[in-house]
Parts: sequence; structure tokens; C-alpha cells
Amino acid sequence: DSGVTQTPKHLITATGQRVTLRCSPRSGDLSVYWYQQSLDQGLQFLIQYYNGEERAKGNILERFSAQQFPDLHSELNLSSLELGDSALYFCASSVEGIAPYNEQFFGPGTRLTVL
Amino acid sequence: DAKTTQPTSMDCAEGRAANLPCNHSTISGNEYVYWYRQIHSQGPQYIIHGLKNNETNEMASLIITEDRKSSTLILPHATLRDTAVYYCIVRVGRGAQKLVFGQGTRLTINP
Repeated sequence: DSGVTQTPKHLITATGQRVTLRCSPRSGDLSVYWYQQSLDQGLQFLIQYYNGEERAKGNILERFSAQQFPDLHSELNLSSLELGDSALYFCASSVEGIAPYNEQFFGPGTRLTVL
Repeated sequence: DAKTTQPTSMDCAEGRAANLPCNHSTISGNEYVYWYRQIHSQGPQYIIHGLKNNETNEMASLIITEDRKSSTLILPHATLRDTAVYYCIVRVGRGAQKLVFGQGTRLTINP
């Protein structure tokens, strides 16, 4: 158990719909990352938040957005869903400090199926 | 971040040492080598990291060549539970930063 929780575990929805994925980081971790894993693209970084502020953006579509709340949990919002958005979505968290490693702890993921 | 090259797949017998190679010939002086693994469809799990010295922890050993252009992850006594995709990642160590995953090596431990 990494200490990172994600809900829901599975989500099945239809094209054109909107969903929200939720992530609670490990206690004390200020950074939250979202990754997408699809069969054809592998694990890809989407976006990072640090203490409520967006820190870095990766290959995140404009239909997707995220935020980190004052209690540090984060939500990833996916809208106008397409079949190709079907994937595993992982959240990870890490501390930010002077240590050079900043290991990332991953949650169990949310499996999104768009029909 | 430097690019890494890993074999697509490897097999190893249970109880033997599994040696997973990684090439990172364009690594910069301030970049670390990290290893993560992903068991089935679970979230990736951190294994070990290093800069230039060899490192060992309770999970594995990391051997980095003197020129730092390649490294080897060693699982000393592989078990069936070590069957996973292993990712070698090179990146600057300081600060909280994204991980860039390649295709990794699919390691299968055979009984």
C-alpha cells in the first residue's frame, strides 16, 4: 500500500460524457502528478500540482483539467469523452525537498472505459 | 531528460539473479538513474536510484558503469512476484519532477 488513494477504481461511461477522478496523496506530500496509461501510448505524464498550484504540464488534452484543493487532494476532470480516452489513470505523490530523489508513490489507478 | 534503451523482454528462472540492463549514453552529469516497476496493471513502484556509485537496498542492487552510460538492475533472488515491467528512467534528481516512462523491460520469472 503506497498511501495514495484513488477513487473510483473503475468507471464506465459513454462518449461525450464528463467524469471526475479523485486522488488523495500520502500524508505530507505536497506534489501530485497525474499519468495516463493506454495500450498504445504507454505511461504518459499529464499534469503536476504542487501545494495547490499547477507546476508542470505534459501531454494533457484541452478537454482535461485538474486541480489541487487546500487539503491537497486532487481531481482530474475529463470532458467530452472519446473512445480513445479509455485508459488507466494513475495519480502519484511526492514530497518536495532538497533530497535528490523525491520518489513518487503511485496510487492503484482508475480504469476508465468509454463506450 | 536523457533517453534510455532497454530490452523489450527478458526471462529468468525463479531463485536466480535477474540482471536488467539499461543504456543511457546521453546522460548528463546531474542526472540520476531511477528504476521503477509495474506489476500487472498496478501503479508503478519505486525500486532504487543512483548517481554514479553502486547502490543496494532491500529490493535490488544498481550497478552504474564508470562512464555512466549504462546501468544494470539486479534482483538477487528473483521470485514469481518479481514478474513485472521494469522501467529505467534518467532525470535530474533535485526537486519534484515528472517521470518520463519508456517502454520498459517485461521480465518474466519462470518456476
